[in-house]
Parts: sequence; structure tokens; C-alpha cells
Amino acid sequence: QVQLQESGPGLVKPSETLSLTCAVSGYSISSGYYWGWIRQPPGKGLEWIGSIYHSGSTYYNPSLKSRVTISVDTSKNQFSLKLSSVTAADTAVYYCARGDYMDVWGKGTTVTVSS
Amino acid sequence: DIQMTQSPSTLSASVGDRVTITCRASQSISSWLAWYQQKPGKAPKLLIYKASSLESGVPSRFSGSGSGTEFTLTISSLQPDDFATYYCQQYNSYSLPTFGQGTKVEIK
Repeated sequence: QVQLQESGPGLVKPSETLSLTCAVSGYSISSGYYWGWIRQPPGKGLEWIGSIYHSGSTYYNPSLKSRVTISVDTSKNQFSLKLSSVTAADTAVYYCARGDYMDVWGKGTTVTVSS
Repeated sequence: DIQMTQSPSTLSASVGDRVTITCRASQSISSWLAWYQQKPGKAPKLLIYKASSLESGVPSRFSGSGSGTEFTLTISSLQPDDFATYYCQQYNSYSLPTFGQGTKVEIK
């Protein structure tokens, strides 16, 4: 079955760039679907960060757009998130997911922004 | 942006109760609405898509309805496993995805 797995540093310093990767198994990214990133600050709700279409088109949350880059590596069947100039407000569990309605999710990875 | 507003924010109910959660969109999204269930420490799980289509493997006690700007998620007979937080999400192709703020279903 389709599985997604997030990976990346669990601790990032303020003003630095958060980088996460989502490895996809059981389905080829290049075959279709949107592939997205969602985050959840401690004790709060879900926030869509952005998505990339299998063709490479990207769509970002306007509130984060100036700091976000999502890219895809079809050779490795994975996609990535970069969030620059992070602050404590970017501390959250970060999820990757498939689709415009999200039918498959990764387990999530906790990222803490702290010096 | 399309804003999604869920009500109530918290709901207290007993096993066996019929539970209804409402989600309102700030403008019409046709039927492009999904519902998710999230338990503490876990990723959200898709329950319903296209407002009323039940995701494979989801118990039939869950149902969704609505179109345009008003939608509901109904649990016909609440089970112990259903105590969780529920989120709606719109995915209208003319706008970017947005989530509701969540509804926590608690044990009464």
C-alpha cells in the first residue's frame, strides 16, 4: 500500500532553514496527485503549508509563501519542504500527505525551533 | 482565501449518541469538502471526501452531507473509538486548501 515517511532534523535554530523530506513508497509520484505538507503547532489545529503537483507546479499558503519552497525528486520518489528564516512560531509537527483531499498521510515529524 | 468554520469547538457526548458537527465555508465550494479524524499523537485519518463519499474502510456510522457553504458530519451511534478531534477541509480547485479549526468530541 502507499506509505509516506517524513525525515529531517528535529531541532532547528532560529533564523535558519527547516528542511524536511517525504519518501513515498507503493506509488510513483510522477504518476499523479498533489503532494503536500501540513503542520500542526502544539495544541493547535492543522495548517496547510503547500503542495506540489506531479508535474512540478507548486501552490503555497499565502501566509508562508515568501519562506516556503516545495520540490520533487522523481528519481528518488520523494518530495521536500524548505522553510526559511524560522522562528519559535514554526515549532510544530510536520506531516506530508497525498492528494487535494488527503487520503494518505505520513506519521509526522516534530520540529522544534530553538537555540 | 476561503475560511472554514466548524461548530461546536467541543462536544460532550455519550457512547451510543448521535453526533453532528457542522462546517461552514465563507463561499461556495460545491461539494469539495473532506472530513478527517485525529487522535492524540497520530496523523489525521480521512473519513469522508466530496462531502458525502465514505473513504474505504471507514465504518458506515460516519456520514457526510451538504453542498455549497454548509456541511455536516454525522456519527450515527458514537463508539468509544470515536472520541477524537474532527477537522473539515475544503479543496475547491479555484482556491487553496484550508482546514476548519477542529471539533473535539469528548466523553460526557
